[in-house]
Amino acid sequence: KAGVTQTPRYLIKTRGQQVTLSCSPISGHRSVSWYQQTPGQGLQFLFEYFSETQRNKGNFPGRFSGRQFSNSRSEMNVSTLELGDSALYLCASTERDSYEQYFGPGTRLTVT
Amino acid sequence: AQSVTQLGSHVSVSEGALVLLRCNYSSSVPPYLFWYVQYPNQGLQLLLKYTSAATLVKGINDFEAEFKKSETSFHLTKPSAHMSDAAEYFCAVTESGAGSYQLTFGKGTKLSVIP
Repeated sequence: KAGVTQTPRYLIKTRGQQVTLSCSPISGHRSVSWYQQTPGQGLQFLFEYFSETQRNKGNFPGRFSGRQFSNSRSEMNVSTLELGDSALYLCASTERDSYEQYFGPGTRLTVT
Repeated sequence: AQSVTQLGSHVSVSEGALVLLRCNYSSSVPPYLFWYVQYPNQGLQLLLKYTSAATLVKGINDFEAEFKKSETSFHLTKPSAHMSDAAEYFCAVTESGAGSYQLTFGKGTKLSVIP
């Protein structure tokens, strides 16, 4: 099976802009989770989607949002970008009841 | 609430030496525990997981970890370090039966292997 794919791999945006990141899970996986990784805060959970429904959300401002489509692909959106949003954004998919999360390569977002 | 503490942000070992990376967790319910490895500019790769079966868990590339409930620990070991093991390692916990797969990660331990 193909692994988790994320697009784009790299992004450079300006403060105040918005950005959309995409994640395609492993075929058959219905759960998609998003994480933010920064040198200072480490790996932090953003949100999780299962069968198009958000079932868990981390402690991030409302500027961070996401959605999941019927084919399990997921997108996350960050509006009104701030310098502190510069990070590696990782997506992971999980096969039901296995608890094993498989991560994509990430999208490196730089906000200038 | 759950949390993970990884002792030592940086560990150096000689090639061929034992690798020991420490992880302690806090969880109010029986946890599921994981070790992931991250190479530069890549995502996370699952090394092994504990999900309440055998307490000694074997993973890929000769890594193993032992779940010790009394010590709330899940330390990662490998008998003989290879140069290719140089990477950052993350311990993570999730709550079994919580209806979510959310992982809480430790801060990570960067492993250097000296030739």
